[in-house]
Amino acid sequence: AQTVTQSQPEMSVQEAETVTLSCTYDTSESDYYLFWYKQPPSRQMILVIRQEAYKQQNATENRFSVNFQKAAKSFSLKISDSQLGDAAMYFCAYRSVSGSSGTYKYIFGTGTRLKVLA
Amino acid sequence: DAGVIQSPRHEVTEMGQEVTLRCKPISGHNSLFWYRQTMMRGLELLIYFNNNVPIDDSGMPEDRFSAKMPNASFSTLKIQPSEPRDSAVYFCASSTDYSPTDTQYFGPGTRLTVL
Repeated sequence: AQTVTQSQPEMSVQEAETVTLSCTYDTSESDYYLFWYKQPPSRQMILVIRQEAYKQQNATENRFSVNFQKAAKSFSLKISDSQLGDAAMYFCAYRSVSGSSGTYKYIFGTGTRLKVLA
Repeated sequence: DAGVIQSPRHEVTEMGQEVTLRCKPISGHNSLFWYRQTMMRGLELLIYFNNNVPIDDSGMPEDRFSAKMPNASFSTLKIQPSEPRDSAVYFCASSTDYSPTDTQYFGPGTRLTVL
């Protein structure tokens, strides 16, 4: 079975600095999709960035980028120039490719709480 | 667009009572997901629908849980009878396409407390 592990329950970063959140996963599949979601205090889950496993190039969205190491099954999120609004819970998620029955699995990590210090 | 709408936002009930959570997906979205979030287990996918049809309910914890989607604009998650261990935040999410790169849009969640 697939698993997603976020080993950092909480991280802190100074405003304008860079922080990296870790995520590792376990799967026997060769093709899959990875996501980072942000959950601010409002509880709304917001997609930050996604990565297709078959793409070697790391995804980038403005100040957010990932370091995808497929062999190591690692998918870390880097936030550059951190802002106060980045403070939130961040979840790493894995999505399998649809099987023959059309089903797939969507698995989330337990989250990392990011604090941004002014 | 109003986004995914969930009701109620908070629900407090007593053990043994029936609880019904409601979700209205974003108009035009054809996939709908129900999640449960707890401190112990994190965010778990309970069930998802595509074009109103349940595709995979293997995440539903037990027979006390049931979900329906009678039409494209409405879904319910019912717990009967409820138990204290069902206390959690329940999220509904919808997406535009049944594809691997779909972006799921989450509702604000319903915080359920079972006494």
